[in-house]
Amino acid sequence: QQPVQSPQAVILREGEDAVINCSSSKALYSVHWYRQKHGEAPVFLMILLKGGEQKGHEKISASFNEKKQQSSLYLTASQLSYSGTYFCGTDSSGGYQKVTFGTGTKLQVIP
Amino acid sequence: DAGVIQSPRHEVTEMGQEVTLRCKPISGHDYLFWYRQTMMRGLELLIYFNNNVPIDDSGMPEDRFSAKMPNASFSTLKIQPSEPRDSAVYFCASSWTGGSYEQYFGPGTRLTVT
Repeated sequence: QQPVQSPQAVILREGEDAVINCSSSKALYSVHWYRQKHGEAPVFLMILLKGGEQKGHEKISASFNEKKQQSSLYLTASQLSYSGTYFCGTDSSGGYQKVTFGTGTKLQVIP
Repeated sequence: DAGVIQSPRHEVTEMGQEVTLRCKPISGHDYLFWYRQTMMRGLELLIYFNNNVPIDDSGMPEDRFSAKMPNASFSTLKIQPSEPRDSAVYFCASSWTGGSYEQYFGPGTRLTVT
């Protein structure tokens, strides 16, 4: 079953922060985050494993609440380059390879 | 490395015709995935292979779809006969067991069935 992402779309001004949420009805072993720019392929951002630590690089980080079967992606001090559609992918089998993607959150950063 | 290679990049065909999409994964990767992306359904996993063996094809919509991986460097996704509702962008992705579970996506094939 497809995870639910919220919000569906968000517009930010440069420098503002955003949080994208991902929620699953199934128990999760891992959560994968990808970003897709218009007309391009999805690009991997990070993976969060069950029992693992909060991950992040630069100004994009994420958390994983296993008990609530939820993950959140945090974008701080947004840049124009952050624009795109963000997908969470959930793994309910434990193999870390088979991922079910959510419907995406479209993020637009404006000057 | 050249990344995941897909061909053709665009395909326009008439309903009822056979369509074959091709994918060359990154050398050394042992997992290969086929996805379909549409506005309505988002990014759907159709099938994935490990070491050229199909592991899970539960996402393949119906018998009109078939996928093969004859060797570690080539895979095909075939639709026969094609229908207008098959119009979508089809992505191939690859990953490897010793990595960070990152899937590397190809540029996609935009299929239009008229």
